[in-house]
Amino acid sequence: GQQLNQSPQSMFIQEGEDVSMNCTSSSIFNTWLWYKQEPGEGPVLLIALYKAGELTSNGRLTAQFGITRKDSFLNISASIPSDVGIYFCAGVGSNDYKLSFGAGTTVTVRA
Amino acid sequence: DTEVTQTPKHLVMGMTNKKSLKCEQHMGHRAMYWYKQKAKKPPELMFVYSYEKLSINESVPSRFSPECPNSSLLNLHLHALQPEDSALYLCASSQESRTGGNEQYFGPGTRLTVT
Repeated sequence: GQQLNQSPQSMFIQEGEDVSMNCTSSSIFNTWLWYKQEPGEGPVLLIALYKAGELTSNGRLTAQFGITRKDSFLNISASIPSDVGIYFCAGVGSNDYKLSFGAGTTVTVRA
Repeated sequence: DTEVTQTPKHLVMGMTNKKSLKCEQHMGHRAMYWYKQKAKKPPELMFVYSYEKLSINESVPSRFSPECPNSSLLNLHLHALQPEDSALYLCASSQESRTGGNEQYFGPGTRLTVT
């Protein structure tokens, strides 16, 4: 699959802050997925989105499937230290099992 | 239960060794995947099995040989690897691969070091 444009590449968070990241694509997707990966572990699925315009929450996480089907964003509210890790977006096209991944957003706690 | 298990967690092997990575899922998923991941990069697809048959090989060198003994198990046999093959190898599964939109669940990975 193609690589998606994910931004920012990295961010520093302070406990309590709200943070946001997004992914854009030149292609239309039928599904958007957001994963979090911690060092030495596999990616963990956070949120799956299936319909254009869909807004879905999972605890302090909220993600939206863009109306154009070419973008998605993930918000983390009231961040905590355990939110650190690499967040990957992934898109899935129609009749296609392949995930197209973003390059990842590395979230680090600001000292 | 959305768990995919992988063994071993870590593996160090010489370039002349033969070893195998194992993956198991009990979610009734009929599609299973092998990915290779380098540090701070997204996973790269290697193989896809759908209903226990190899459906995709992403031009992976023959020193990597996948096997799907049954619908719950996936193996990756390794032989004559190169140091550049050192990486995190991830297994994933999804409901099935013939229709789009199915989320993939990843295992914890095997950290492979080739010496």
